[in-house]
Amino acid sequence: DTGVSQDPRHKITKRGQNVTFRCDPISEHNRLYWYRQTLGQGPEFLTYFQNEAQLEKSRLLSDRFSAERPKGSFSTLEIQRTEQGDSAMYLCASSLEGGLREQYFGPGTRLTVT
Amino acid sequence: GEDVEQSLFLSVREGDSSVINCTYTDSSSTYLYWYKQEPGAGLQLLTYIFSNMDMKQDQRLTVLLNKKDKHLSLRIADTQTGDSAIYFCADEMEYGNKLVFGAGTILRVKS
Repeated sequence: DTGVSQDPRHKITKRGQNVTFRCDPISEHNRLYWYRQTLGQGPEFLTYFQNEAQLEKSRLLSDRFSAERPKGSFSTLEIQRTEQGDSAMYLCASSLEGGLREQYFGPGTRLTVT
Repeated sequence: GEDVEQSLFLSVREGDSSVINCTYTDSSSTYLYWYKQEPGAGLQLLTYIFSNMDMKQDQRLTVLLNKKDKHLSLRIADTQTGDSAIYFCADEMEYGNKLVFGAGTILRVKS
């Protein structure tokens, strides 16, 4: 257990439905990252927050995706109108500013879109 | 964009050494990382190396970096069955704001 938790661990949804995932980082970490990992690939960066500010978004993050970190603590990632191509593992990680050497990943949320 | 490549699969016998290789394209890498992922689990940071170093040793792990050739390797000494997992090489991008991962190398250890 790294101290980063994600909920739910698994989500099965029908195409076109909206889904929301939650990440609770290590409490003193001010940076929070979202990555997506598809089968047979490494994680791909989606976005990151420093406190409550979303500082960077990948081109992978289409307008159907939105992430928030309203109070600089937990974060949510919402996918609207899910597509089968959204099926993946969504990983959250947290760190202190400038501290990727101390970046810890959560267990991930596996999304299956049917 | 920046790219990180790894060989897909490695099979070794228990007790042998394993060497997992990685190449990257980023010229401004500051740190390079090795992560381990076991089935159903998240990513575990194994070790990292600063780009000005050639080698780093950490117990059974040895990381070698050839910055000229942009080649990184991870050597696991005395490989155990518990080392069976997927190993990811990752490059720190843009002043520590994100990581770019390779596709992973599946390490299978035969007893």
